[in-house]
Amino acid sequence: GDSVTQMEGPVTLSEEAFLTINCTYTATGYPSLFWYVQYPGEGLQLLLKATKADDKGSNKGFEATYRKETTSFHLEKGSVQVSDSAVYFCALSVDQGGKLIFGQGTELSVKP
Amino acid sequence: GAVVSQHPSWVICKSGTSVKIECRSLDFQATTMFWYRQFPKQSLMLMATSNEGSKATYEQGVEKDKFLINHASLTLSTLTVTSAHPEDSSFYICSARDQGEGYTFGSGTRLTVV
Repeated sequence: GDSVTQMEGPVTLSEEAFLTINCTYTATGYPSLFWYVQYPGEGLQLLLKATKADDKGSNKGFEATYRKETTSFHLEKGSVQVSDSAVYFCALSVDQGGKLIFGQGTELSVKP
Repeated sequence: GAVVSQHPSWVICKSGTSVKIECRSLDFQATTMFWYRQFPKQSLMLMATSNEGSKATYEQGVEKDKFLINHASLTLSTLTVTSAHPEDSSFYICSARDQGEGYTFGSGTRLTVV
């Protein structure tokens, strides 16, 4: 079945460090890929998305490229801030308007 | 952008009572909404897909008689946890597929059953 696998957390970084959170997927068809962020006690917010191979999603300094050959959608940011501390979820959707399938989430903690 | 409002944000109820959670799309029509459950430090588990004007589609292992979903209009879906027990305590999140933006999530409801 369709699934998403993320690198395990928690990830602890110092401010201004480089961030990579790995995400790989298994899916039938051609999924859309998403990264969501969840701040403590809140719901999820869309961070970025990509709908086809080689697309790059970007937002707030975060980037992720849809790599069909490696079935990956790794999240990167060149210089993290304390305010980036949150849980990050990679997700996919196979059908237009269909359900989202989430990875297990990766907790990021950025220290000053 | 698209906004989904979820209420209440937190609720405490006694064991055996029922609790209703509302999910509203404020500035768009949502023919389909999704209900998730999230355990501490874990991912979101899809419970059911709520379709306007028809019965919800439940995921395997989710008790439909316990988690009643109603999607009576294009902007409102409700989840009722019936005869709640402490093991139902969790964070419940709704989402809706919006127009072109992807999926918009509500801010979640923290349910505590005592």
